[in-house]
Amino acid sequence: AQTVTQSQPEMSVQEAETVTLSCTYDTSENNYYLFWYKQPPSRQMILVIRQEAYKQQNATENRFSVNFQKAAKSFSLKISDSQLGDTAMYFCAFMKQAGANNLFFGTGTRLTVIP
Amino acid sequence: GAVVSQHPSWVICKSGTSVKIECRSLDFQATTMFWYRQFPKQSLMLMATSNEGSKATYEQGVEKDKFLINHASLTLSTLTVTSAHPEDSSFYICSARGRQLNTEAFFGQGTRLTVV
Repeated sequence: AQTVTQSQPEMSVQEAETVTLSCTYDTSENNYYLFWYKQPPSRQMILVIRQEAYKQQNATENRFSVNFQKAAKSFSLKISDSQLGDTAMYFCAFMKQAGANNLFFGTGTRLTVIP
Repeated sequence: GAVVSQHPSWVICKSGTSVKIECRSLDFQATTMFWYRQFPKQSLMLMATSNEGSKATYEQGVEKDKFLINHASLTLSTLTVTSAHPEDSSFYICSARGRQLNTEAFFGQGTRLTVV
């Protein structure tokens, strides 16, 4: 079974500063995908960034980047130049490449950007 | 990106009645749809997976007779909460994935169900 762990229930960061959200996972799969989703107060789930496990290069999307450590099964999200609109719940998620490909979510980290 | 529309966004119903929630993919064919339930300040818990034209696969602990899922077309899946009770009050979210969309799943806006 796959498990996803987010050990930081809540975090805060000053506007324009950088923050890193942690995520670890457990799986016996070799090929899989990892995601970070953002859920703002509207509750709409928004994909922030995606990483394929077979790629060694860390994914980057503008101010968002990940530190993917496959051996350590770690997948942290770094948000640079934090903006007030980044305030939201952030969920780390895992998906197997083959077979049943539903998402397994972590428990989430509530991020507050302080003006 | 692709759009998934979920309707209604909120609903209040009386105990014992049934409620239907619709999930539509507006600009792609959703070969697989997922239904999640989210309690306040908690994560999303997968309830069931449905593939177009076949019966849904329910997760352990989810009553299939309570939560009826239909995925009769490539653009529509429905979740019906039958004989609703206050403990069924929750936030329900669908997501959809299409053959052409690689790995990304797109989420609906969610439905807040309150059973009184």
